[in-house]
Amino acid sequence: ETGVTQTPRHLVMGMTNKKSLKCEQHLGHNAMYWYKQSAKKPLELMFVYNFKEQTENNSVPSRFSPECPNSSHLFLHLHTLQPEDSALYLCASSQGPVAGGSSYEQYFGPGTRLTVT
Amino acid sequence: AQKITQTQPGMFVQEKEAVTLDCTYDTSDQSYGLFWYKQPSSGEMIFLIYQGSYDEQNATEGRYSLNFQKARKSANLVISASQLGDSAMYFCAMREQPRGNQFYFGTGTSLTVIP
Repeated sequence: ETGVTQTPRHLVMGMTNKKSLKCEQHLGHNAMYWYKQSAKKPLELMFVYNFKEQTENNSVPSRFSPECPNSSHLFLHLHTLQPEDSALYLCASSQGPVAGGSSYEQYFGPGTRLTVT
Repeated sequence: AQKITQTQPGMFVQEKEAVTLDCTYDTSDQSYGLFWYKQPSSGEMIFLIYQGSYDEQNATEGRYSLNFQKARKSANLVISASQLGDSAMYFCAMREQPRGNQFYFGTGTSLTVIP
C-alpha cells in the first residue's frame, strides 16, 4: 500500500451505534489530520496530531473521539452520532511544522462516506 | 473573517481552452504557503501545486500554473489546454508558518470541461 488509506470507504450507522474510522499513511509523515466535508461547506478541520500528540481540536463534539497510537495510524471513534454528522470524512498527512515548513502539502486519503440514520 | 475565498462556485470551459480559478486569502503572517487541490467525484483530494509566500516566480506544474499576486493577496490557478478529466472540484488552501499544522480551505470551485 502506498500513500494514505482509509477504511471503510462507506459506512451507514444508526444513532446508537459505535463505529471507528481508520486511517493509515505510508509516507513517513509525522502529522495527521481529520477533516469533515459536508456539501457546500469548506473542509472543516477536526483534529490534528503531530508526532502522536494532539495539537488541534477545533471544538469538535465529544461524540467524535480521535486516537493516534503512532505516527502512521489515526482513528476516529464514533458514538451516538446525529444525522447532521453524515458527511465525507477525510484523513490527511503531512510533514509537521519545521523551520520553513509551510511548503509541506497534505496528502489525502480517499475518504469515508458516512451516513447516520 | 474567511481565510480563503473562492468566489466562483461553478465554472465551465471548452475542451483545450485555458481557465482561471480565483482564490484570495487573508493573513497577516509573512511566511505562508498556498496550495491547490483537485477533488474528482471519487472524493480523494489530489495535490496540484504549491506557492510559497517568498517565492518570486509563479509556480508551474505541467498544465497548472499559479498566478500569485502578493499585494492583492490572490493565488489564482490557471489550467491550460483543459481536458475532460479536469472536470472536478478545485480547492485553494493556505498554511501559515507560525501555525504550521493548520490548513485553511476555501469552499471550492466546480469546474466542468465541455467537449
